[in-house]
Amino acid sequence: DGGITQSPKYLFRKEGQNVTLSCEQNLNHDAMYWYRQDPGQGLRLIYYSQIVNDFQKGDIAEGYSVSREKKESFPLTVTSAQKNPTAFYLCASTRWGTSSNQPQHFGDGTRLSIL
Amino acid sequence: QQPVQSPQAVILREGEDAVINCSSSKALYSVHWYRQKHGEAPVFLMILLKGGEQKGHEKISASFNEKKQQSSLYLTASQLSYSGTYFCGTVAAGGTSYGKLTFGQGTILTVHP
Repeated sequence: DGGITQSPKYLFRKEGQNVTLSCEQNLNHDAMYWYRQDPGQGLRLIYYSQIVNDFQKGDIAEGYSVSREKKESFPLTVTSAQKNPTAFYLCASTRWGTSSNQPQHFGDGTRLSIL
Repeated sequence: QQPVQSPQAVILREGEDAVINCSSSKALYSVHWYRQKHGEAPVFLMILLKGGEQKGHEKISASFNEKKQQSSLYLTASQLSYSGTYFCGTVAAGGTSYGKLTFGQGTILTVHP
């Protein structure tokens, strides 16, 4: 079955450390997204990519970086510049590069905590 | 601008009905509804496009009032499996071709036996 795989499920970061969250999809979708979810809050967009080798900042991109070298993969790096990284991170994809009229398919998420 | 959902939480008995509202300060192109169980990924329920109403999931339906920039999600004869957090997501009319989805803060629905 096609879907989105996020790994690891749980991740711990030390102070001053960069960590990378993996997101892989086998849905042959063009667009991929990263969201951050804090307790009791909605999803906030970090970065998105409508096509390979191109990506755009979302609402809360500071302290994060991404790459899109392959259609299937959209890794997110949480850098040491992100001072409050503890959150639930969700990766999503859509068939085409717009969210206007198609559903987003989500992975199962990665929960990041500070040691 | 984040859409506003109401109520923040709803508690029901099995078989009861509920309505969840989503309001935006912007003109909207579409409204999306998702349900998320604790610690899991959000699951798509339905999309409502400007000019239409779509019923997409079991006994769950929704409406979209373009003039008021509001959408309502209707859950009838609730089941235990309906428990979770419901999110609306809105796409503003006009603007860039990207169509960014902006999520509300969520409504927690709890169904008791």
